[in-house]
Formats: sequence, C-alpha cells, structure tokens
Amino acid sequence: EVQLVESGGGLVKPGGSLRLSCAASGFTFSSYSMNWVRQAPGKGLEWVSSISSSSSYIYYADSVKGRFTISRDNAKNSLYLQMNSLRAEDTAVYYCARERGAARLFDYWGQGTLVTVSS
Amino acid sequence: SYVLTQPPSVSVAPGQTARITCGGNNIGSKSVHWYQQKPGQAPVLVVYDDSDRPSGIPERFSGSNSGNTATLTISRVEAGDEADYYCQVWDSSSDRGVFGGGTKLTVL
Repeated sequence: EVQLVESGGGLVKPGGSLRLSCAASGFTFSSYSMNWVRQAPGKGLEWVSSISSSSSYIYYADSVKGRFTISRDNAKNSLYLQMNSLRAEDTAVYYCARERGAARLFDYWGQGTLVTVSS
Repeated sequence: SYVLTQPPSVSVAPGQTARITCGGNNIGSKSVHWYQQKPGQAPVLVVYDDSDRPSGIPERFSGSNSGNTATLTISRVEAGDEADYYCQVWDSSSDRGVFGGGTKLTVL
C-alpha cells in the first residue's frame, strides 16, 4: 500500500525557517518524481514544487522560488521541503504527492502537515 | 502563466447529473486531471488524462476535454459526492503544475 506521511509543520515567526519531511513507503520511491502542494485555510490547492526521481529536474512556483528548496534522499525514501524567509501567506497545509506519467498527475497524496506563520 | 477557471459552486439534486467545467486556453491540447477533496481530507484523484478513472473510482465519474473547456461529469449523484473538485494540468511551457480554483459540489 502506498503511504506518504508528512511531518515537520508547526508555528513559526515571519522570516523564520522550517523543514518539512515526507516519508514514503509501499512503492519504489526512487522511480517517481515527487511534488509539494499546499492549501491555505479555506482556499484552493496551489502547486509548490516538483523534483524528478534522480533530483535532476527541480521546479518551483514563482511564489516560493528563491525561498524554498525541495530535495530528496532516495536511500531514506524521503522527500523534503526547506522553507526559509517564511511569510504569513505561506500559512497552509502542505501535502506531498507522488507524480505519475508523462501528463504529470498526482496519484497519491499524504495527509498533510500544517504550517502557520505568525508573530 | 497558464490559468484554469472553474465555477465556484455547482448544485444538483440526488440522482441527477453534475457537470463541473474547467476552462483554459486551448486546454483540449493538454491532459486534464480531476481531484475530489472532502473536508479535512487530502485530495483524491478521480479522473486522469481527461477521461480515465483510477481503480476504485465509480463509473459514475467521467471526463471530457475539447477546445477551451474540460468537463467532469458525475452521473446519478449521491450525497457522498458532496466535496470540492479541482482540475489540474501540467504547463510544460513554464514547467509548472496548475490547479483550477476549485468547485464546491452541493447535493441538495
């Protein structure tokens, strides 16, 4: 069974940093691209970042480029999101999602971890 | 950047058919995916590549895509279908994932 479990969320002050993790199991992690998608309270889904299976290709939404860094450790079956210079508008539930196919759909999602940026 | 436009809400009586649209410039040339999200839960893929269904998704869920509009159709709507629905594409010109704003389906 495919499982994605996020952790690392919490309350952080504006300008602070946080590192999210996503532990994957039930599939060959090293064969799949992975993504982070976020959802602000009461709002819709927003794609954040993507990383290819070997970390060769990395993409970011304009809203986080230069502040967030996506990475992965295939030996540990883990995905990460380092978030720096956090802003109030980064407050959201952050989901990790497995990407599949040339059309790049998200076939499995974690349960999400809440990041709150507030003084 | 590529923009997907969905109606904020759609209402339908049980047993009727719900149609949720997703508009985008020449979206018919892209593969569109649809997700269902119930309150407090993670999104679930219900239709991918315009019209395919993942295993476990009822045949009542179907999709189409042509021109500037993609459509998710839910036949014989049930109370349990009440949820937010999002369309999604990958914009290869900018290498960005793109979601529509979401549509809240209300079962009357």
